[in-house]
Amino acid sequence: QKEVEQNSGPLSVPEGAIASLNCTYSDRGSQSFFWYRQYSGKSPELIMSIYSNGDKEDGRFTAQLNKASQYVSLLIRDSQPSDSATYLCAVNTWAAGNKLTFGGGTRVLVKP
Amino acid sequence: DAGVIQSPRHEVTEMGQEVTLRCKPISGHDYLFWYRQTMMRGLELLIYFNNNVPIDDSGMPEDRFSAKMPNASFSTLKIQPSEPRDSAVYFCASRPGLVLGGELFFGEGSRLTVL
Repeated sequence: QKEVEQNSGPLSVPEGAIASLNCTYSDRGSQSFFWYRQYSGKSPELIMSIYSNGDKEDGRFTAQLNKASQYVSLLIRDSQPSDSATYLCAVNTWAAGNKLTFGGGTRVLVKP
Repeated sequence: DAGVIQSPRHEVTEMGQEVTLRCKPISGHDYLFWYRQTMMRGLELLIYFNNNVPIDDSGMPEDRFSAKMPNASFSTLKIQPSEPRDSAVYFCASRPGLVLGGELFFGEGSRLTVL
């Protein structure tokens, strides 16, 4: 079992719709969770971080964390063509030496 | 701050040659990470350092790979001898020493092609 798992996609959504991305992780001791966006040919950039169970909203992005289910998700509301990218889930585990592990990424395509 | 600086941006070499990738982290960051990204395997953690000390190198594929961090402002990833399957984008990233991790800042990557 991979430490951090994501559906590779592509996830195709019409412009203006909600894109829903999911991520599961294997280490129950993980305490910090991040979503990075990566455009083709570019390096990843942070868009959201979440540390507590529940929802965290930032603009059109909402991150959701459920530690009991070892599940973190990202919602993109009012999707725009500029949101087309690969979204990487990352999990930080302090007990493992503050190690940051990435999932394989979900490719999102927003169609005008 | 100039951000994480990697060099070279592109490297094309022949199988068997030595490759050295370089990284300058953001000043004041305690952690430095080396990742490799391919279409097949995604973003893989190779090795990371805390205060110049290697913490976990379990992701280094084999003995052909080595990494050093002689001081807080410089790290190298060396492949000797290189093989075609090493072709990938290699990212260096750094972040502060926060308990909960904090944002990881990536360099622009070094695209390696081994012929």
